Amino acid sequence: NAGVTQTPKFQVLKTGQSMTLQCAQDMNHNSMYWYRQDPGMGLRLIYYSASEGTTDKGEVPNGYNVSRLNKREFSLRLESAAPSQTSVYFCASRVTGEVYEQYFGPGTRLTVT
Amino acid sequence: GDSVTQMEGPVTLSEEAFLTINCTYTATGYPSLFWYVQYPGEGLQLLLKATKADDKGSNKGFEATYRKETTSFHLEKGSVQVSDSAVYFCAPSHGNQFYFGTGTSLTVIP
Repeated sequence: NAGVTQTPKFQVLKTGQSMTLQCAQDMNHNSMYWYRQDPGMGLRLIYYSASEGTTDKGEVPNGYNVSRLNKREFSLRLESAAPSQTSVYFCASRVTGEVYEQYFGPGTRLTVT
Repeated sequence: GDSVTQMEGPVTLSEEAFLTINCTYTATGYPSLFWYVQYPGEGLQLLLKATKADDKGSNKGFEATYRKETTSFHLEKGSVQVSDSAVYFCAPSHGNQFYFGTGTSLTVIP
């Protein structure tokens, strides 16, 4: 099993450009998540999806959109990138239910100039 | 809402020293509690967990006990190694969300 995979690993954008971060999991998990990690801030939840066809906002959703394409895939879109979105983005998945752990992807390092 | 307070770092220890990283949380009800570890350039990995009061999670020599009365889940290891150098995150899970602390950076020197 590959677990949780993310593409791309690195990306540099200019202000105003758009891009989509891809995430896929092969563990048959219902719940999927997008986080951003900034120095001194820990992980902050952007959006999550408790099941195929549903998405919910997290702590910092502004400037982002998501699509739960199917059970395996959960993408994050930046429509008009801003320097404040420079961060490391992690996707995670888990079996639904608070006793279950999340499994994380390797991350995407995004720089917006 | 739910939140977590984690001991601030960075923490620097000599090899074979005793480690404690404090974690306290606020939550409605009784969350499940997790410790994650992040090695440089990687995503987070589960280190251990406890899902009910008085449970002890353990893995790779690390331990943490779910203390309902003090709403704490402190991470301990009796003898750290250089390979334990990483960032450690405490995270209660309530409902469908995790609430991550800011992380504690640990460096172990030979």
